[in-house]
Amino acid sequence: QVQLQESGPGLVKPSETLSLTCTVSGGSISSYYWSWFRQPAGKGLEWIGRIYTNGRTNYNPSLRSRVTFSVDKSNNELSLTLTSVTAADTAVYYCARDLLGAWDHWGQGTLVTVSS
Amino acid sequence: QSVLTQPPSASGTPGQRVTISCSGGSSNIGSNTVNWYQQIPGTAPKILIYRSNERPSGVPDRFSGSTSGTSASLAISGLQSEDEADYYCAAWDASLNTWVFGGGTTLTVL
Repeated sequence: QVQLQESGPGLVKPSETLSLTCTVSGGSISSYYWSWFRQPAGKGLEWIGRIYTNGRTNYNPSLRSRVTFSVDKSNNELSLTLTSVTAADTAVYYCARDLLGAWDHWGQGTLVTVSS
Repeated sequence: QSVLTQPPSASGTPGQRVTISCSGGSSNIGSNTVNWYQQIPGTAPKILIYRSNERPSGVPDRFSGSTSGTSASLAISGLQSEDEADYYCAAWDASLNTWVFGGGTTLTVL
């Protein structure tokens, strides 16, 4: 059974860079797309983008200028970096396996708060 | 403001059939399939329906999806207390070049 686990600092200062890792266990990350999402408290889901294991990426245009994904196949890890964060970036961040939009396995999510 | 429009709430009694709507436009639901997700507060979303009407293994056949034009619907029959959750629709938007979501519908089992 594929399992995903997000990790990273729970608190980031405004204007700094947010970095998260998604560790995949129970299966290989190869030959799949992997998507990232976020969800502010009490609000709906937002798709941040996705990465294929060859490094090909698609980003939500609203975040494209600030977000970067990477993949480490040797460690079965995915990474997200988001630059110049503001309070509007405070949210629970999720990673999920992406079967062309059918996100079938999700991490439990990690809360990131942007505050000084 | 979500690109796809869902009613904020829905309710039903145990055993009843409930339908949740999702309204979009020609660039999303009108030209692409719809996925539905269930989210119990405090947990990650879970896929219920993909490609508008396909159910992943393990999802009860009480859940079904359909589309018509620029709208989609999720039907839940034989409502159970464990169905209390938030439900989200999602579709690819060819104009925005991103996945878009509905704002979510909170289902209450009375």
